Amino acid sequence: EAGVTQSPTHLIKTRGQQATLRCSPISGHTSVYWYQQALGLGLQFLLWYDEGEERNRGNFPPRFSGRQFPNYSSELNVNALELEDSALYLCASSLGRTFFSSGANVLTFGAGSRLTVL
Amino acid sequence: GENVEQHPSTLSVQEGDSAVIKCTYSDSASNYFPWYKQELGKRPQLIIDIRSNVGEKKDQRIAVTLNKTAKHFSLHITETQPEDSAVYFCAASNRRGSSNTGKLIFGQGTTLQVKP
Repeated sequence: EAGVTQSPTHLIKTRGQQATLRCSPISGHTSVYWYQQALGLGLQFLLWYDEGEERNRGNFPPRFSGRQFPNYSSELNVNALELEDSALYLCASSLGRTFFSSGANVLTFGAGSRLTVL
Repeated sequence: GENVEQHPSTLSVQEGDSAVIKCTYSDSASNYFPWYKQELGKRPQLIIDIRSNVGEKKDQRIAVTLNKTAKHFSLHITETQPEDSAVYFCAASNRRGSSNTGKLIFGQGTTLQVKP
């Protein structure tokens, strides 16, 4: 079974540009989560998508946005890039929210996309 | 707001010793507490989790305890081995019914070094 896949592996941009990161969840998973892992700051929650809709977002400015497609893959867009956006962006997937109360809600992470803003 | 505090930030032990990492959470509605291990350059991987209806869970050399009253939970690793060296993250989430926020709030991580 394929795991969570992310692309690109590495991305270099300059300040002010836009970055697009992509994520394909595990087959059968309808929930996708995005986390930012900046050096020394742990994993910061960005966005949660479930069944095509944004269900929750973390404390990030509106220039961080995304969407989930009908096949449950997801895209994270970061506009007007700033130097401090340099980080590893991790995507995770799980079974959908209707399964949460039954306990089948383990998050499986992808390998991440390393974004460097110069 | 929701917050998870994790201590210590770094931990160095001799091979064979035990290691304990502690976390506290602020949201009393949290009911799911996973622990992830992230080796250098790799993705975080779930090693054990516990739900709020259980006080303790064990899986071979690792165990997790939960004190709901104090809003504390801890990871215990016994008979540590060099391959246990990694960054460990605790997390908390509310995944019940209409209050489901769908997100895991992570602690800041503990870098564990096991010296041979």
